Amino acid sequence: QVQLQESGPGLVKPSQTLSLTCTVSGGSISSGDYYWSWIRQPPGKGLEWIGYIYYSGSTYYNPSLKSRVTISVGTSKNQFSLKLSSVTAADTAVYSCARGEIGLPPRMDVWGQGTTVTVSS
Amino acid sequence: QSVLTQPPSVSGAPGQRVTISCTGSSSNIGAGYDVHWYQQLPGTAPKLLIYGNANRPSGVPDRFSGSKSGTSASLAITGLQAEDEADYYCQSYDSSLSGYVVFGGGTKLTVL
Repeated sequence: QVQLQESGPGLVKPSQTLSLTCTVSGGSISSGDYYWSWIRQPPGKGLEWIGYIYYSGSTYYNPSLKSRVTISVGTSKNQFSLKLSSVTAADTAVYSCARGEIGLPPRMDVWGQGTTVTVSS
Repeated sequence: QSVLTQPPSVSGAPGQRVTISCTGSSSNIGAGYDVHWYQQLPGTAPKLLIYGNANRPSGVPDRFSGSKSGTSASLAITGLQAEDEADYYCQSYDSSLSGYVVFGGGTKLTVL
């Protein structure tokens, strides 16, 4: 079955860019049936949708993060990536990637385990 | 503040029935967009529990049910079990600001 795995640095300095990659196994990002999403969860808080990408490259972002976020398909066709610029301590969170079956909203039926990113000098 | 409002916590004894509300507005739930529900057990990734307002993915017990009316949705859990203790999140879509996915703030279910 499809599995997702996040990877990237666990510590990022303030004002720098957070970069994470999600590797998809057991399936293909090129399937037209899904959006590929990033979601985050600050410590002790709820879920926040960051954005998603369609296999064609179309992207959709949370308006509150849009000016700082870029989601792209990786050089490997079964990877997609997140970049969040100008990070502050408020961006400290568990970052998860998820597969979302197309709909409004997409239902996220497969999730990665999540990776903790701390913003600190 | 979340666009979708959930009670911070609910509780119930084993075997009882509990409900978790998710209140939105005319730009999200009231506009006809679907509501999905997720269960997050401690230290784990969220799991899709209910989709399309009232549908259960394969493997989810029929003790879990969802409904939607007007600008609100609800998750009901009957025959409460200790393993149901978790955080529950509703999710929908909001058509303001060119449209975006929204989550509720989450509800902590405690099984007494």
